[in-house]
Amino acid sequence: GNSVTQMEGPVTLSEEAFLTINCTYTATGYPSLFWYVQYPGEGLQLLLKATKADDKGSNKGFEATYRKETTSFHLEKGSVQVSDSAVYFCALSDAVQGAQKLVFGQGTRLTINP
Amino acid sequence: EAGVAQSPRYKIIEKRQSVAFWCNPISGHATLYWYQQILGQGPKLLIQFQNNGVVDDSQLPKDRFSAERLKGVDSTLKIQPAKLEDSAVYLCASSLGLQRGLTDTQYFGPGTRLTVL
Repeated sequence: GNSVTQMEGPVTLSEEAFLTINCTYTATGYPSLFWYVQYPGEGLQLLLKATKADDKGSNKGFEATYRKETTSFHLEKGSVQVSDSAVYFCALSDAVQGAQKLVFGQGTRLTINP
Repeated sequence: EAGVAQSPRYKIIEKRQSVAFWCNPISGHATLYWYQQILGQGPKLLIQFQNNGVVDDSQLPKDRFSAERLKGVDSTLKIQPAKLEDSAVYLCASSLGLQRGLTDTQYFGPGTRLTVL
């Protein structure tokens, strides 16, 4: 079945450091890929998405490119801020199957120190 | 635009008791989802509704969990009787419910944190 694997956390960085959170997936068909973020005490928020191969999703300085050849959707940011501290979830959705169930990775906790 | 509303935000019960959670989706969203998020894990889909019909409940433990979506709007998720392993955050999400082949973005509520003692 479909699955998502994220790099294990927690990840701790200093402010203005470069961020990469790795995400790889296994899926039949042609899934859409998502990054969701969960700030402390809040619900899941959509950060960015990509719906087909080579698409780049971007938002709030974060980027991720849909790489079909490596089945990856790594999240990157050039210069992180303390406010980026949160848990990040990679997910996929296979629209072809109709019932668009999201399959999530286990999440990566990110802490940014000033 | 109002987001997905859930209540209560927190609930503590003893094992073998029953509990119910409520969700009000974004206005106009035809599809509603309930997810279970155990501490340290990603959310797992329990059940998906399209209007008031069930689309997918393959991962819902039907011996103790039930859900309904009356009139295709609000939804309730019930656990009876609760077990210790049901301690988790229960997330409700909604989406427009697009046609097959199109990406349908899900929007999440704040969740209900359940602790079973």
